[in-house]
Amino acid sequence: DAGITQSPRYKITETGRQVTLMCHQTWSHSYMFWYRQDLGHGLRLIYYSAAADITDKGEVPDGYVVSRSKTENFPLTLESATRSQTSVYFCASSEFATRGTGELFFGEGSRLTVL
Amino acid sequence: AQSVTQLDSQVPVFEEAPVELRCNYSSSVSVYLFWYVQYPNQGLQLLLKYLSGSTLVKSINGFEAEFNKSQTSFHLRKPSVHISDTAEYFCAVTLGGTSYGKLTFGQGTILTVHP
Repeated sequence: DAGITQSPRYKITETGRQVTLMCHQTWSHSYMFWYRQDLGHGLRLIYYSAAADITDKGEVPDGYVVSRSKTENFPLTLESATRSQTSVYFCASSEFATRGTGELFFGEGSRLTVL
Repeated sequence: AQSVTQLDSQVPVFEEAPVELRCNYSSSVSVYLFWYVQYPNQGLQLLLKYLSGSTLVKSINGFEAEFNKSQTSFHLRKPSVHISDTAEYFCAVTLGGTSYGKLTFGQGTILTVHP
């Protein structure tokens, strides 16, 4: 099915472990984003990508790594998970034509718990 | 840098009553403004947006928002709510242009519609 999918939807891990959250979109959108959602903070941008092999930091990038070798995939890796990274993570994409207009298409989220 | 403040974290209302969800933003330059809605266990969906032109924008399901530049506000209203409107609503802003859809979100307002 067309759209943007995230996996896993739910993940429990321990402090210090590496975790990768996957994001895949079938629209061939140029732009992709990772946000985290925390109570009282709304959504905050972690990283974004304008195209394959082009990524840049958002508001809260520390502790995260991204890559984008293919247009359709944008994985987010927590190199050494900490409890403060317990959150719901949303991947989003945007097509070139709407660049700058802010119309993002979101995945259903990945709920990560770090014990 | 821009910021967004949603003045109410929770708004309870009875079915068929009117509702207003308040949003104020701070920016020294022109912005694009959005309302996104998040239903339980889902990602965010665009509800409506203001880019330019008429300051009153409407969604297909009866919501409307008015851009007020002097008040730096973008409040969301609906004259008669339904049970199905129960969700969390996020106000967001972007500078547009080369901002690549980097939205700044408010903290969210949980709208609960009671029968």
